Amino acid sequence: GAGVSQSPSNKVTEKGKDVELRCDPISGHTALYWYRQSLGQGLEFLIYFQGNSAPDKSGLPSDRFSAERTGGSVSTLTIQRTQQEDSAVYLCASSLVSLRDRVGTFYGYTFGSGTRLTVV
Amino acid sequence: QKEVEQNSGPLSVPEGAIASLNCTYSDRGSQSFFWYRQYSGKSPELIMFIYSNGDKEDGRFTAQLNKASQYVSLLIRDSQPSDSATYLCAVINFNKFYFGSGTKLNVKP
Repeated sequence: GAGVSQSPSNKVTEKGKDVELRCDPISGHTALYWYRQSLGQGLEFLIYFQGNSAPDKSGLPSDRFSAERTGGSVSTLTIQRTQQEDSAVYLCASSLVSLRDRVGTFYGYTFGSGTRLTVV
Repeated sequence: QKEVEQNSGPLSVPEGAIASLNCTYSDRGSQSFFWYRQYSGKSPELIMFIYSNGDKEDGRFTAQLNKASQYVSLLIRDSQPSDSATYLCAVINFNKFYFGSGTKLNVKP
């Protein structure tokens, strides 16, 4: 597709349930990021995938959070045993190349429209 | 200390005025600097990026970077009501984007 696609756009779940959030990046984009944005707050880095390299998971807030990226394309963020504090908008972004590899050259870093997660 | 600090605002300016948005960052090793605009309920969208000290102009927008003082600013000339949004400053450090919490700008007709 032309942009970064995320699904579902909205998800309401009961506390304690597991949820899966999906991100379909722009075709050919090798770098993929997940962020979380709570109401009125800035963007919180969660995890970063670049090509076949091991993902940078340093932003994941607890071991209830995990993410995969299959075939270097679609990514799934899984939250187990959801808590009310997990309620936020989860944003995915992708870019054509790792910005470390091409410092000084910007190839575009595009956000999806997000998944609004509400834990009740 | 947060990686990126911004005044949350709101910053109110009259239509046609210059809006000045500021951002400071903590790590001198930060490599690249970005300004994103986020309308309420929408995802952030990139409006400017800058790598080198000095000014970079793009239409009504000018980004300014001062690495010695560790700040980056965004000037919006001839502000329009459609510029009303939250402006997020972001820096790259070791391949991660760090975002500020954003400054809310209100441009009054």
